[in-house]
Amino acid sequence: EVHLVESGGGLVQPGGSLRLSCVASGFSFSNYWMYWVRQAPGKALVWVSRINSDGSITRYADSVKGRFTISRDNAKNTLFLQMNSLRVDDTAVYYCVRGEGTSQTFDIWGHGTKVTVSS
Amino acid sequence: SYEVTQPPSVSVSPGQTATITCSGNKLGEKTSCWYQQRPGQSPLLVIYENTKRPSGIPDRFSGSNSGNTATLTISGTQAMDEADYYCQTWDSSTAVFGGGTTLIVL
Repeated sequence: EVHLVESGGGLVQPGGSLRLSCVASGFSFSNYWMYWVRQAPGKALVWVSRINSDGSITRYADSVKGRFTISRDNAKNTLFLQMNSLRVDDTAVYYCVRGEGTSQTFDIWGHGTKVTVSS
Repeated sequence: SYEVTQPPSVSVSPGQTATITCSGNKLGEKTSCWYQQRPGQSPLLVIYENTKRPSGIPDRFSGSNSGNTATLTISGTQAMDEADYYCQTWDSSTAVFGGGTTLIVL
């Protein structure tokens, strides 16, 4: 069965850092582009970042560009999101998501990890 | 930046047809998807590539996309379909989500 399991969330002060991880199982992780999508409390889904299958191409939402870094370790079937200079408005549940096919449908979602930025 | 707009809520009686719209400039020229999110759960893909249903999604869910509007239709709506629904498309290699629509089954 296909699974994505996130970890690394928590409470952090403004200006702090966190590193999120997402372990994939049940599919050939190295063949897929992967994404992070976040959802602030009571708000809509928002795309954060993407990485191609070999990790050579990344892209970020303007709101996180220069502060967040997406990466992956295909040998360990793991996706990462390094978050620096965190702001209160980064508070959200962060989902790890698989992109499928030429249309990059978000077909598999993790359970999410909660990040709270507060003093 | 590109935006898509959904109504905040839609109400439907059990057994009736629910229609949720997603509007954006020339959205019909793009590919759209729909996700269902029940309270406390992760989003679930229900429609992809405008009209296709993933395996395991009931055939009462259907989608269309033309002109400026993508539409999710739920026929014979059941109480278990009460959830938030999000449309999503791509613009300049960026995923764009709608603001979400709460489907109320009453």
